[in-house]
Amino acid sequence: SFALTQPPSLSVSPGQTATIPCSGDKLGDKFVCWYQQRPGQSPVLIISQNTKRPSGVPERFSGSISGNTATLTITETQALDEADYYCHSWDTTTGAVFGGGTKLTVL
Amino acid sequence: EVQLVESGGGLVQPGGSLRLSCAVSGFTISGYDMHWVRQATGKGLQWVSTLAFAGDTYYRVSVRGRFTISREDAKNSLHLQMDSLTAGDTAVYYCVRSSGKSDAFDIWGQGTLVTVSS
Repeated sequence: SFALTQPPSLSVSPGQTATIPCSGDKLGDKFVCWYQQRPGQSPVLIISQNTKRPSGVPERFSGSISGNTATLTITETQALDEADYYCHSWDTTTGAVFGGGTKLTVL
Repeated sequence: EVQLVESGGGLVQPGGSLRLSCAVSGFTISGYDMHWVRQATGKGLQWVSTLAFAGDTYYRVSVRGRFTISREDAKNSLHLQMDSLTAGDTAVYYCVRSSGKSDAFDIWGQGTLVTVSS
């Protein structure tokens, strides 16, 4: 069945750029979304349709896709960006699929 | 204000049943695809079920035949009937909205905790 793969964790220094990959079979043929989930809170949509940033999401967050890998990029990373990040797509056979999540640590 | 408020979670024994509800305000539920997504403690997000605005339903394999998603247009509410529950169903269940089943999940509720234990 369709699956999305993310690294379980990533560390970045404040002010640096964080890059979170998400890979899946034929992912380039699908739309990918990204969500941020802070501890104890519900997920929040930060990127839709591979690259679109909803209103209110800082420009520091951007999405891209190349081949079978989608990427979430956070520039000028801040302490408040410390959270879990999930990629998401839809497969006609499997249904909605989330990546395993990447825990971003800013230190 | 657009808001999703889940209710109905609690402690249930293995093999038991539970019905979750999601009260929707700020938009008409029949015009959107609605979903249930769950998250076990310390684990990732897991899609459970989708009810498309046209009425078609989708389930992850592990809940198919045990869970039923439905909506109550008059009350602008979404439901999830969960039967034959197992410990593996223990999680926070989120009610979620999207404009289409393959579209972004743009609005999330605060979640309701379901614990399956004897």
